[in-house]
Amino acid sequence: DAGVTQSPTHLIKTRGQQVTLRCSPKSGHDTVSWYQQALGQGPQFIFQYYEEEERQRGNFPDRFSGHQFPNYSSELNVNALLLGDSALYLCASSYPDRRETQYFGPGTRLLVL
Amino acid sequence: QQQVKQSPQSLIVQKGGISIINCAYENTAFDYFPWYQQFPGKGPALLIAIRPDVSEKKEGRFTISFNKSAKQFSLHIMDSQPGDSATYFCAASKTGGFKTIFGAGTRLFVKA
Repeated sequence: DAGVTQSPTHLIKTRGQQVTLRCSPKSGHDTVSWYQQALGQGPQFIFQYYEEEERQRGNFPDRFSGHQFPNYSSELNVNALLLGDSALYLCASSYPDRRETQYFGPGTRLLVL
Repeated sequence: QQQVKQSPQSLIVQKGGISIINCAYENTAFDYFPWYQQFPGKGPALLIAIRPDVSEKKEGRFTISFNKSAKQFSLHIMDSQPGDSATYFCAASKTGGFKTIFGAGTRLFVKA
């Protein structure tokens, strides 16, 4: 049984560009949450999706947007990249009846130059 | 009110010793408290979790102690091994998937 997968593993962009990160949840999971983890810090909640809708959102600007597809996979989009967006972006998935129990993927390391 | 405060920032323990990491929360609405282990270049892995209706939960060498009145909880790693060297995060959430709030992390190094 494959765990949570994310792509790409690494990405380098320049300021002002746009980026799309992808996540496939564990089998049986319908909920996907995205987190940003800056170097040396704990993960910060960006938003959560289930039933193809954004259900909760953390303190992130509208430049951060997402989408969930009918197969439960998800995308995170970041527009107008800033240097401060450089971080590890983590996707976590969970079962519909245990949404608080989250399983993380390996993350996508984004570097903005 | 959404913060989870974690200490210490870093910890060095001798092999076979006990590692203790502490966390405190503010929001009494939280009812799910997981601990995650993260190795460099990897995503956090769920280690053990507790709910406020119990004061202690043990899984193998890992034990969570929970003090509801003090709004504190801690992770104890018994018989610490060099392979336990990693960053540990406490977190808090609510049943149903309220956004999970993470502590700042503790870097544990177990000396052989």
